[in-house]
Amino acid sequence: DTEVTQTPKHLVMGMTNKKSLKCEQHMGHRAMYWYKQKAKKPPELMFVYSYEKLSINESVPSRFSPECPNSSLLNLHLHALQPEDSALYLCASSQDLPGQGYSPLHFGNGTRLTVT
Amino acid sequence: AQKVTQAQTEISVVEKEDVTLDCVYETRDTTYYLFWYKQPPSGELVFLIRRNSFDEQNEISGRYSWNFQKSTSSFNFTITASQVVDSAVYFCALSVPGTGRRALTFGSGTRLQVQP
Repeated sequence: DTEVTQTPKHLVMGMTNKKSLKCEQHMGHRAMYWYKQKAKKPPELMFVYSYEKLSINESVPSRFSPECPNSSLLNLHLHALQPEDSALYLCASSQDLPGQGYSPLHFGNGTRLTVT
Repeated sequence: AQKVTQAQTEISVVEKEDVTLDCVYETRDTTYYLFWYKQPPSGELVFLIRRNSFDEQNEISGRYSWNFQKSTSSFNFTITASQVVDSAVYFCALSVPGTGRRALTFGSGTRLQVQP
């Protein structure tokens, strides 16, 4: 069983909808990540939170809005998405902070998002 | 800049065959970490192994073995006596510590199909 839990597993939303993806970890990790993965591609980094503060934003459009309410939770708020945003969204956590590089990332099962 | 190349897009083998997944990396840094992840159809990326740049000792874990060679900048992964459950996409990844560094640099992945 994965130690990083993501909900929902599947999400279908229209372009005018607002929805949120949720991620939870209880490993005491200091960094949490959002990745986007298109079919047959590697994961692409979107955001990183270090000690609950946004430390990396990989030039992600503002229709994606991350939030880290506490050290265990990470949300990704979605609004006015486009069909090309359909992808697998993966949450991950690590003991290390970005820039230390030693600890592996622990990934959740992902949310498979379809924008219609 | 860092780069990871997995030249094999897809490999198909019959159960019990041995298979090697290739990974070639590029970095100018002397300290770095290499990882292998497995992504089954369920979506979650599962951490398999980490190697640091100063440890060229090969590793064996059950049917899995890894061959790290700095001279050729390669970190290859061999599955002995493959099983259907090994069917997945396998990603090689590179992490370089340092201020301003991002998280993992992933290769494009190798899809392994093990036929019964």
